[in-house]
Amino acid sequence: AQTVTQSQPEMSVQEAETVTLSCTYDTSESNYYLFWYKQPPSRQMILVIRQEAYKQQNATENRFSVNFQKAAKSFSLKISDSQLGDTAMYFCAFRPNAGKSTFGDGTTLTVKP
Amino acid sequence: SQTIHQWPATLVQPVGSPLSLECTVEGTSNPNLYWYRQAAGRGLQLLFYSVGIGQISSEVPQNLSASRPQDRQFILSSKKLLLSDSGFYLCAWTPATDTQYFGPGTRLTVL
Repeated sequence: AQTVTQSQPEMSVQEAETVTLSCTYDTSESNYYLFWYKQPPSRQMILVIRQEAYKQQNATENRFSVNFQKAAKSFSLKISDSQLGDTAMYFCAFRPNAGKSTFGDGTTLTVKP
Repeated sequence: SQTIHQWPATLVQPVGSPLSLECTVEGTSNPNLYWYRQAAGRGLQLLFYSVGIGQISSEVPQNLSASRPQDRQFILSSKKLLLSDSGFYLCAWTPATDTQYFGPGTRLTVL
């Protein structure tokens, strides 16, 4: 069974600064996908970024980027130029090819003005 | 484009009453469908998933059940609610690719 661990229950960052959220996972699969989801106070789950394990290049989406270390089974999310609207709970998720997703317990991020 | 709907958005029910939550997906066919429950400030617990009409897999034994009467409709039910059933229920779907897309959720309070 796969496990996803987010070791930081809560984090805070000053507006305009950079923050990195950690995620590690455990699997014996070789083909899989990794995701970061954002859940703002509205509780709508929003996809932030996805990474295919077979790709060595780290995914980026505007101010969001990941550091994917396959050998270390690490998938951290970096948020640059943090904005107040980035305040949310962030979930790391793992999904094997054509399998079910496993989610971490989340990191609550607060962006301070 | 594809959209996913859930209703009701909010529900308050007494212990022992029945439950029916509905999820529908538009703009796609034969999606994989999922029901998750999220306790306050916690992660997502997979309850059920379905790969086709009438095909339901249960992940967690409980007093909840799921049905998929139509290709794009997924229903979560209970005959008698427990206090522990309170939570935030999310429906999600996946296309042929990998990414899960979530509905807006239903906040259920059992009193």
